[in-house]
Amino acid sequence: IQLTQSPSSLSASVGDRVTITCRASQDISNYLAWYQQKPGKVPKLLIYAASTLQSGVPSRISGSGSGTEFTLTISNLQPEDFATYYCQQLNIYPLTFGGGTKVEIK
Amino acid sequence: EVQLVESGGGLVQPGGSLRLSCSASGFTFRRYPMHWVRQAPGEGLEYVGAITTDGRNTYYGDSVKGRFTISRDNSKNTLYLQMTSLRKEDTAIYSCMKEPEYGTSSGFEHWGQGTLVTVSS
Repeated sequence: IQLTQSPSSLSASVGDRVTITCRASQDISNYLAWYQQKPGKVPKLLIYAASTLQSGVPSRISGSGSGTEFTLTISNLQPEDFATYYCQQLNIYPLTFGGGTKVEIK
Repeated sequence: EVQLVESGGGLVQPGGSLRLSCSASGFTFRRYPMHWVRQAPGEGLEYVGAITTDGRNTYYGDSVKGRFTISRDNSKNTLYLQMTSLRKEDTAIYSCMKEPEYGTSSGFEHWGQGTLVTVSS
């Protein structure tokens, strides 16, 4: 299963709302997770089952979608949100990742 | 606390072999499937493969299938990744991940820091 993330990068300001899209090449129901990765760090799980927030993740981060189209939305962007975000499908092996979206400061 | 510590990385020539280890602690290792992922320098995440609790079943990404072998020793709480016929494009940080309590659908919370493999002549 191929996952296509868009955009590959974006520039935004603190307080902005950003949306990242992940499209699957076939139906994966809601078997999708989102991760945040900062330079030199291990990825952090944000969302699983497409829309369930991992414990400890701020509620300004949300996920939606099912089937083949999914979105990650970050409202009121904070300085700590500038990072690279990846989606991963958890439906069929191999459990592929999207190409990533780098969120940079405008 | 779950801890995953990879080792065994280093410099290897194209066509060579290397075995990575992932030492696990803080949980009952034999109860959980385990996974490997990798990340080339400056690039995105790539799923390498997985192994079931008893080691009988393995799954691999297309780019490593037939060249890499995942195994485990539950008596030593250790996961392995045997890599053969290495190519320059296998250069990456290799990390192990513990499968969540209720299966992969919960996403991966626990990752090791990784070990760097460099394939170069």
